Amino acid sequence: SAVISQKPSRDICQRGTSLTIQCQVDSQVTMMFWYRQQPGQSLTLIATANQGSEATYESGFVIDKFPISRPNLTFSTLTVSNMSPEDSSIYLCSGGGGGAKNIQYFGAGTRLSVL
Amino acid sequence: QKEVEQDPGPLSVPEGAIVSLNCTYSNSAFQYFMWYRQYSRKGPELLMYTYSSGNKEDGRFTAQVDKSSKYISLFIRDSQPSDSATYLCAMDRDDKIIFGKGTRLHILP
Repeated sequence: SAVISQKPSRDICQRGTSLTIQCQVDSQVTMMFWYRQQPGQSLTLIATANQGSEATYESGFVIDKFPISRPNLTFSTLTVSNMSPEDSSIYLCSGGGGGAKNIQYFGAGTRLSVL
Repeated sequence: QKEVEQDPGPLSVPEGAIVSLNCTYSNSAFQYFMWYRQYSRKGPELLMYTYSSGNKEDGRFTAQVDKSSKYISLFIRDSQPSDSATYLCAMDRDDKIIFGKGTRLHILP
């Protein structure tokens, strides 16, 4: 298994600003992912963070709004840019082995409120 | 039709009862089937995973997969108030995991 540390755990931000969320894994993982979870809802995949190359975004999510970095196998960041109240959500990072046995382990999440 | 269907509940059962949580899916390409537990204000925690059809047991938890019916279940025996959480089924596809909506479970003392 892997232990995922995410920070900040929560933040309250003003409209139009940006927030960068950090994710650290305690061991090397092949895959890292970023999700969004609205209260009481399931997880929606934002993107796959690729080491040393551009992230792979899901439909409805774009790099200008959610730039992602992954400089090595254990660390990734997600930036929520030019925030609006609609971006208020829980953002979760996960790490996993990928391939046939794609088991993912999650951080505690970042609770973001945009005023 | 959604790839993974899960009744969001809430489901309330008395302490000590057997709980049955279920998901159906439409994509026969899914190979790994997982159950995650998520407590309020926490990230999802992997509870169990299975690969083939059949049962897998871990303590009070049993995961069941029926690939012919595209149906998976999680059974919790001797349910405890500490089992109160949201349970999400999940399945892998193309290096990604597709999650169900999650079922909110309340175990009543």
